[in-house]
Amino acid sequence: DAKTTQPPSMDCAEGRAANLPCNHSTISGNEYVYWYRQIHSQGPQYIIHGLKNNETNEMASLIITEDRKSSTLILPHATLRDTAVYYCIVSYSGQAGTALIFGKGTTLSVSS
Amino acid sequence: GAVVSQHPSRVICKSGTSVKIECRSLDFQATTMFWYRQFPKQSLMLMATSNEGSKATYEQGVEKDKFLINHASLTLSTLTVTSAHPEDSSFYICSARARDRGISNYGYTFGSGTRLTVV
Repeated sequence: DAKTTQPPSMDCAEGRAANLPCNHSTISGNEYVYWYRQIHSQGPQYIIHGLKNNETNEMASLIITEDRKSSTLILPHATLRDTAVYYCIVSYSGQAGTALIFGKGTTLSVSS
Repeated sequence: GAVVSQHPSRVICKSGTSVKIECRSLDFQATTMFWYRQFPKQSLMLMATSNEGSKATYEQGVEKDKFLINHASLTLSTLTVTSAHPEDSSFYICSARARDRGISNYGYTFGSGTRLTVV
């Protein structure tokens, strides 16, 4: 699996958009970009995933560059409950036995 | 949809005893289940991958005789920590992959984790 690079920490004011970057310059053509978050002492929570196109759901938007070497997760209106560690993972989902491999992630701190 | 139930949420056991952790996919069949371990202030580390009806594949450095994994059905996998010692104290998390990805759009669903403390 391709590796990802994320900033270790970011701060965001409540109500503002949180833009979390991720570099995955060695991503392969059949690898998806997944975003999960982990709130303290809980299991990871799925946020969004994509292959080539930008994606949006009720939680967030995922912007993937045209060359697929980087992406940005956007939380449009961050709240205090969005404080968590955010993991960007690239993985080939075509084989059932492929696990998600977690890096160190970005610790997002949302403050009022 | 796509809920994974992990039980117990926390357990304290004495050194030398064994502890079993259950991971169930509640509303989908899981082709594959994964077990992770997380130490304080660290990321999740993959321990093993298990497919229903076959032996688990362990990551390098994970003792298969100490961490017994059973995946007897498409909805249940168990992790047994045998002869637990204080250094096995950790947060254990399971993940399940849907057999039919149409049921679970995101493919990987995680349990809420089990906090194991060995005293």
